[in-house]
Order: sequence, then structure tokens, then C-alpha cells
Amino acid sequence: EPEVTQTPSHQVTQMGQEVILRCVPISNHLYFYWYRQILGQKVEFLVSFYNNEISEKSEIFDDQFSVERPDGSNFTLKIRSTKLEDSAMYFCASLEIYGYTFGSGTRLTVV
Amino acid sequence: GIQVEQSPPDLILQEGANSTLRCNFSDSVNNLQWFHQNPWGQLINLFYIPSGTKQNGRLSATTVATERYSLLYISSSQTTDSGVYFCAALTQGGSEKLVFGKGTKLTVNP
Repeated sequence: EPEVTQTPSHQVTQMGQEVILRCVPISNHLYFYWYRQILGQKVEFLVSFYNNEISEKSEIFDDQFSVERPDGSNFTLKIRSTKLEDSAMYFCASLEIYGYTFGSGTRLTVV
Repeated sequence: GIQVEQSPPDLILQEGANSTLRCNFSDSVNNLQWFHQNPWGQLINLFYIPSGTKQNGRLSATTVATERYSLLYISSSQTTDSGVYFCAALTQGGSEKLVFGKGTKLTVNP
């Protein structure tokens, strides 16, 4: 069964540093997403990406965040200057007619 | 925007017991998914169910779209069923984003 692959599984970074979270979505899916889950809370939508551009973004997705699909397979989320409150599990997902498939997540810890 | 409410927030069962988890949503949705988040944080897709009933082993789900709710049934629960169960509504129009409920934390004791 096709999978969404995320790397790394866990990343620790110092406050103010840039991080790039990587994802390989399912290739024939059309919509790609990033979601975030702060520990113990619900999963929240960050951004959707369709046809090589952002189709919708949430209030959380401010100027510190950016997404790219640089080579037609990888899908990245960049946080330019991390803050303590960016510590969370970040999920990549892709969508087709049978529903969403989520990656296993990247746990980001900002210290 | 759409609101998704889940109940109960916490549920403790003895192994072998049955349970029903509920999800209410405030507006019409394109679809409804149930997920199990395991202790490692992974979101496992259980059902993609816009309406009707589906079954997969000991789990089944029913969505009544006209009344804006969905139910997840777990029969003969096992300790490995422990974790958090989320329902998420796929919004109409726009980018097909998911709006999650706060989840039901299930603990199955041996």
C-alpha cells in the first residue's frame, strides 16, 4: 500500500534556528498538506498545496513558514526562525478520492 | 468554520468490552474520517465514511450525514486498541482540508 514518508522522525533544534521538514507524498495524489499537533491537543491544519502552489493556509501559517515541492516528489515545510511554541508533531498528508493518507510525523522539539 | 465535537473525551474499558465513540459536526461535510493515534503518535486511517456503515474486523463506523453525526464501534476491545481516536470532517469547497475533533482517549486494561 502506498505510503507518505516523512523525515526526520524526530528533530531537536535551538530557538531561532531554521528547520526543514521533509515529506514524500503519494505520487499520484493531487493535494498535499501539512498539519500540526501540539502535545496533548488536536491536530490542526497548516497549509494545503495544489498544482505547485498554496491553495489555502491557516492563521498559524505566518511568514515564518514556507512550503515547497522542489523536484516533483519531495514536499518540504520550512520554519525560518523557530520559537519554543513551534514544538509539536508535524504531519504531512496527501489526498485522493478514498481519503487522506498521513505520514508518521516529525516530532519537532525547540529548546 | 465547521465545529467537530467528540464524546466522551476519555474512556476506560476492561479487555473484551464493547464501546461506542461519537462525533458530531456542525455543518454539511464532504466526508468524514476516523483515525487512531497510536502511542508513537502515528495517525492510522480507520474509516473514510461520508454516509452509511462500514466494518473492518472488530471496528465499524456509521455516519448519518443528514443528522450530522458519526459513530465508531469497537467490539471485544483489546489492549492494543488503546490510544486516541480522532474524527475529522472534510470541509466543502476550497482545499478539502480536514477539521479534527479533540479526540477520545481510550484506555483498555487487561
